[in-house]
Amino acid sequence: NAGVTQTPKFRILKIGQSMTLQCTQDMNHNYMYWYRQDPGMGLKLIYYSVGAGITDKGEVPNGYNVSRSTTEDFPLRLELAAPSQTSVYFCASSTNGDRGSTEAFFGQGTRLTVV
Amino acid sequence: AQSVTQLDSHVSVSEGTPVLLRCNYSSSYSPSLFWYVQHPNKGLQLLLKYTSAATLVKGINGFEAEFKKSETSFHLTKPSAHMSDAAEYFCVVSSPHGSSNTGKLIFGQGTTLQVKP
Repeated sequence: NAGVTQTPKFRILKIGQSMTLQCTQDMNHNYMYWYRQDPGMGLKLIYYSVGAGITDKGEVPNGYNVSRSTTEDFPLRLELAAPSQTSVYFCASSTNGDRGSTEAFFGQGTRLTVV
Repeated sequence: AQSVTQLDSHVSVSEGTPVLLRCNYSSSYSPSLFWYVQHPNKGLQLLLKYTSAATLVKGINGFEAEFKKSETSFHLTKPSAHMSDAAEYFCVVSSPHGSSNTGKLIFGQGTTLQVKP
């Protein structure tokens, strides 16, 4: 019962470095999401995908890229890390329901610090 | 476009008293709605969901919420607060099929629930 798995759990980056946050799910969900959570700001949607090969921007996509080559994987790429990207990142997945998405299942989060 | 507003950023109650966390949504269609809870330094856990059945939804740990279409609200309640309920609570709306944002899940800003002994 792995669910949604994110790696790494913690990471410290220097300004200008790049990295990829990995996310994989084993529930055959077609929808996948990346959110960032800043203190007191709730969760902001970065990118989401409704299926393999399809991605779309969320509320705060600048500075990030995603790809969805398989149903299972949805990596998030930071190309030039900036201090403003210091945050906790959550990956999630869900599937179709009668009125849109069913409930989302979340990974445990990645705490990223850019110094 | 879908949106969700949590009307209180912080709610404080005494243990044993009722809890009310307010959520209003905006949607052109009848959406799915969810409440999630996040304890400090933890991930997100689903409390309850409204999809298309009964408008009064019961969730885990004694929480429930009522979908009121006329008021575009989905308030979360619990008859008696427990110390372990202290956490951050998020109201979430889903874009329905056929909309331009199918599959999108939008979070409210969150409400911090404090429970005093």
